[in-house]
Amino acid sequence: QKEVEQNSGPLSVPEGAIASLNCTYSDRVSQSFFWYRQYSGKSPELIMSIYSNGDKEDGRFTAQLNKASQYVSLLIRDSQPSDSATYLCAVRGNTDKLIFGTGTRLQVFP
Amino acid sequence: NAGVTQTPKFRILKIGQSMTLQCAQDMNHNYMYWYRQDPGMGLKLIYYSVGAGITDKGEVPNGYNVSRSTTEDFPLRLELAAPSQTSVYFCASRRDSQETQYFGPGTRLLVL
Repeated sequence: QKEVEQNSGPLSVPEGAIASLNCTYSDRVSQSFFWYRQYSGKSPELIMSIYSNGDKEDGRFTAQLNKASQYVSLLIRDSQPSDSATYLCAVRGNTDKLIFGTGTRLQVFP
Repeated sequence: NAGVTQTPKFRILKIGQSMTLQCAQDMNHNYMYWYRQDPGMGLKLIYYSVGAGITDKGEVPNGYNVSRSTTEDFPLRLELAAPSQTSVYFCASRRDSQETQYFGPGTRLLVL
């Protein structure tokens, strides 16, 4: 069974701090990696995708991928209360299907 | 563009009843997906389709059926509702050439 694992949290950080969210996956042939944000009662929305080892930055968000360690992370700089949500890690292997983690709940307090 | 739309938003079913969850997209996407999300959990893939007339099972297909007669529509059928099917159901779609999946607003289903 291919798995994607995340710490369920909640991860609590003060406003302005860096939030670090982590994800590990079991399928070594995984090719594509995604971070979705889901506000309570809403549908997921894609915030970052990463396909090769290293860092990818987009505004306050940085995705990091290490295929050797089967590890992907999301850093949120200058965290804002509006970043409070559940962050879902998703991984695609060599099929058309995404495998989602259970999500990490982030709380940013003023 | 309306994007991905789902109906109904909320439904209560009795055990053994049947219903169809509707999903439509107006972006001409070939790929469409049905997920369920149980409280505090991630999304589990039920069925997906890579184009009209083509469907395939995901991780948790038991108790569900799908059809894809047009590019726009991808309905999900529950034949004999069970309490274990209480969940939030999300439909998603994407282009062939992109990996970004666009999600509908979800249908909350309660089976009593």
